[in-house]
Amino acid sequence: DGGITQSPKYLFRKEGQNVTLSCEQNLNHDAMYWYRQDPGQGLRLIYYSQIVNDFQKGDIAEGYSVSREKKESFPLTVTSAQKNPTAFYLCASRGAQYQETQYFGPGTRLLVL
Amino acid sequence: SQQGEEDPQALSIQEGENATMNCSYKTSINNLQWYRQNSGRGLVHLILIRSNEREKHSGRLRVTLDTSKKSSSLLITASRAADTASYFCATSPRSNDYKLSFGAGTTVTVRA
Repeated sequence: DGGITQSPKYLFRKEGQNVTLSCEQNLNHDAMYWYRQDPGQGLRLIYYSQIVNDFQKGDIAEGYSVSREKKESFPLTVTSAQKNPTAFYLCASRGAQYQETQYFGPGTRLLVL
Repeated sequence: SQQGEEDPQALSIQEGENATMNCSYKTSINNLQWYRQNSGRGLVHLILIRSNEREKHSGRLRVTLDTSKKSSSLLITASRAADTASYFCATSPRSNDYKLSFGAGTTVTVRA
């Protein structure tokens, strides 16, 4: 099956802890994105990467970090600096350079203990 | 930043009726897309309309775009229970960096 997988489905974070959300795609897509969704709201862009070993901050990057060492993987770390991390996190990818549609993973719900 | 705003926030209709939702945006765009999200799931792409198009159809979906009014509408005809979901418009700005700006969505409930 081709697609985007995110793990875990649910993640619990303790005070002061860094946690990492996994995003993997086997679509051979160059671009990948991380979004945050709060209840009743749309998606806000955290980070995005157009190519391996390169990434840019989105609208709400503070308290988050990413890496893009492999084309198929774009993990997101929620650091202790993110004071309000409880949200639904969605990863997406986009294919060829002029293809505008984004394909989304199933999401990870992060909760604070 | 969130550029699109959907209206209404929520919509409840009977199975078989049509559902219409609107999206307004602020800056010039390359294209506008509509996505669907079932509760607790990821988003699924429905349809893309480019800035030089006025109307597009895909199955039971009809999308219109009025760039002079900076608005778009999504019509779902002959709705089914399976259409119950949140619908989001997403705009791609003319800066062409392929980032999408999402609105807050319209939650549609189709009653059997």
